[in-house]
Amino acid sequence: GQQVMQIPQYQHVQEGEDFTTYCNSSTTLSNIQWYKQRPGGHPVFLIQLVKSGEVKKQKRLTFQFGEAKKNSSLHITATQTTDVGTYFCAAPRSSASKIIFGSGTRLSIRP
Amino acid sequence: DTEVTQTPKHLVMGMTNKKSLKCEQHMGHRAMYWYKQKAKKPPELMFVYSYEKLSINESVPSRFSPECPNSSLLNLHLHALQPEDSALYLCASSQDLPTGNDEQYFGPGTRLTVT
Repeated sequence: GQQVMQIPQYQHVQEGEDFTTYCNSSTTLSNIQWYKQRPGGHPVFLIQLVKSGEVKKQKRLTFQFGEAKKNSSLHITATQTTDVGTYFCAAPRSSASKIIFGSGTRLSIRP
Repeated sequence: DTEVTQTPKHLVMGMTNKKSLKCEQHMGHRAMYWYKQKAKKPPELMFVYSYEKLSINESVPSRFSPECPNSSLLNLHLHALQPEDSALYLCASSQDLPTGNDEQYFGPGTRLTVT
């Protein structure tokens, strides 16, 4: 079945370093969403990308959707302790009205 | 109001108990979802309601029984659960038909422990 692979599983960075997480699909996606879940919290929607090659920025966060619409990335510049959490990509499943979550990347930060 | 509320926050129940989880949203959203999330794993979809009708059941065991009394409320009735059902149960909603193209608003979840 359709899967969305997300790497890396964990990333531990020094505060101020950059961070990137990647999502890859074997099939073309109509869109991709990104969510953030803080420790002990619930997923919170960050952004949705729809167009091929789309790039969107939210302050220090940059989201990209690949030209073939099969991969996406989230890049955080100069991480801060508030960035700690698990970042999930999510994409619609082609045969049903729902989204599938990637496995998530857990970001931890050394102050 | 862009909030999804869930009660209770925590629940401990025995394997013979019957309990219910409740979810409420007042955003006028017409799609509502139940997810199960185990530690260090992504949310797994259980049920989808669209316009108060069950549209997706992800082959969930019958010991989980969803109910949508009206467009703002979603319940999950629990009966004869197993210890492996212990998890965070998340409710979510989205604006229109569940096409996978709308952002989902998640509630804070109910942390369930089955003893």
